[in-house]
Amino acid sequence: DTAVSQTPKYLVTQMGNDKSIKCEQNLGHDTMYWYKQDSKKFLKIMFSYNNKELIINETVPNRFSPKSPDKAHLNLHINSLELGDSAVYFCASSQNRLTYEQYFGPGTRLTVT
Amino acid sequence: DQQVKQNSPSLSVQEGRISILNCDYTNSMFDYFLWYKKYPAEGPTFLISISSIKDKNEDGRFTVFLNKSAKHLSLHIVPSQPGDSAVYFCAASAYPNTGNQFYFGTGTSLTVIP
Repeated sequence: DTAVSQTPKYLVTQMGNDKSIKCEQNLGHDTMYWYKQDSKKFLKIMFSYNNKELIINETVPNRFSPKSPDKAHLNLHINSLELGDSAVYFCASSQNRLTYEQYFGPGTRLTVT
Repeated sequence: DQQVKQNSPSLSVQEGRISILNCDYTNSMFDYFLWYKKYPAEGPTFLISISSIKDKNEDGRFTVFLNKSAKHLSLHIVPSQPGDSAVYFCAASAYPNTGNQFYFGTGTSLTVIP
């Protein structure tokens, strides 16, 4: 029974396309996150939502738009994909915005050709 | 600008010996630190943490040491086991951390040789 799940696991698409990555957590957590791990293995936070409210919005191109339909889901939509968007995207959750321990999903490897 | 650095991309250790993974940071406002462990094709999993009010935290075979003056922390694994082979990330958060935002290093790949 997966705590934090992401779909798809792999995504290969062409430049200019629009794609979405879905994330769901069944832990009852209030806070969810999106991270990007680039080719240099640098894991960097992109967004964080607490009870469907955006609380962290790092310097990320406007082409990236998170959407949280409910506190168990945080989806990431990417418009006009570029080569530099190729990376592994991790979703994570924590009990609340003050709980340090985060639970990560398995990651989505996005390849833009 | 990378505020958390793990300068050793890889480390190999014999089974039963001590593994020491290092992490340096630049932001003096960092007050909480975590270590995560990551296996291939999986997300990171939380391992151990330490607050800046402590200089050591121990959990079984894992001990994290914090040297605030040197802006350095280390993770000791004793004794190392083959199942410990994974990538280890350190992460840090700055006060105030109202958004639970952490800054991660680039990881150290540990191989424990049977």
